[in-house]
Amino acid sequence: DAGVTQSPTHLIKTRGQQVTLRCSPKSGHDTVSWYQQALGQGPQFIFQYYEEEERQRGNFPDRFSGHQFPNYSSELNVNALLLGDSALYLCASSLGPGSTEAFFGQGTRLTVV
Amino acid sequence: AQKITQTQPGMFVQEKEAVTLDCTYDTSDQSYGLFWYKQPSSGEMIFLIYQGSYDEQNATEGRYSLNFQKARKSANLVISASQLGDSAMYFCAMRGALSGGYNKLIFGAGTRLAVHP
Repeated sequence: DAGVTQSPTHLIKTRGQQVTLRCSPKSGHDTVSWYQQALGQGPQFIFQYYEEEERQRGNFPDRFSGHQFPNYSSELNVNALLLGDSALYLCASSLGPGSTEAFFGQGTRLTVV
Repeated sequence: AQKITQTQPGMFVQEKEAVTLDCTYDTSDQSYGLFWYKQPSSGEMIFLIYQGSYDEQNATEGRYSLNFQKARKSANLVISASQLGDSAMYFCAMRGALSGGYNKLIFGAGTRLAVHP
């Protein structure tokens, strides 16, 4: 049973560019949440998708947007990249929003230069 | 403000001994949940244990137990019989209606645990 898979694992982008990160949830899970983890810090909630809609959003600017597809996979898009966007981006899936157990992927390490 | 505080940036323990990782939280919620996650160097966050605010008994999962002291707003993780594979970052997290809703986890800054042979 495949867990949560994220792609790519690493990427390097230039300031001002746009990036798309992808997440496939654990089999049977229908809810995807995205977190940003800066170096040396705990993850911070970006947003959550359920039934192809953004259900809740953290304190992130509109440059961060997302999408959920009918197969429950999800994308995180970041426009106009800043150096401060360099971080590990984690995707978590769960069965329904508010589930007590979320499974995380290994993350995408984004470096903005 | 809803907040998780982990005051130990780093801890070390001898293999086969027990270790306690501290976590205190601040919330005005009456109903909330507390979590512990392990993050090895690979980056993946691994769920360890969950405690609901109304659970009367401390949660246990194998070698992991959560020492929940509600009045002190404390949710310490106890790892018994430490193993070399326990070396990792450990994060305490919380969710609740006033913490941003049950969809959102608020994490502490983490504690790095090193297990020595």
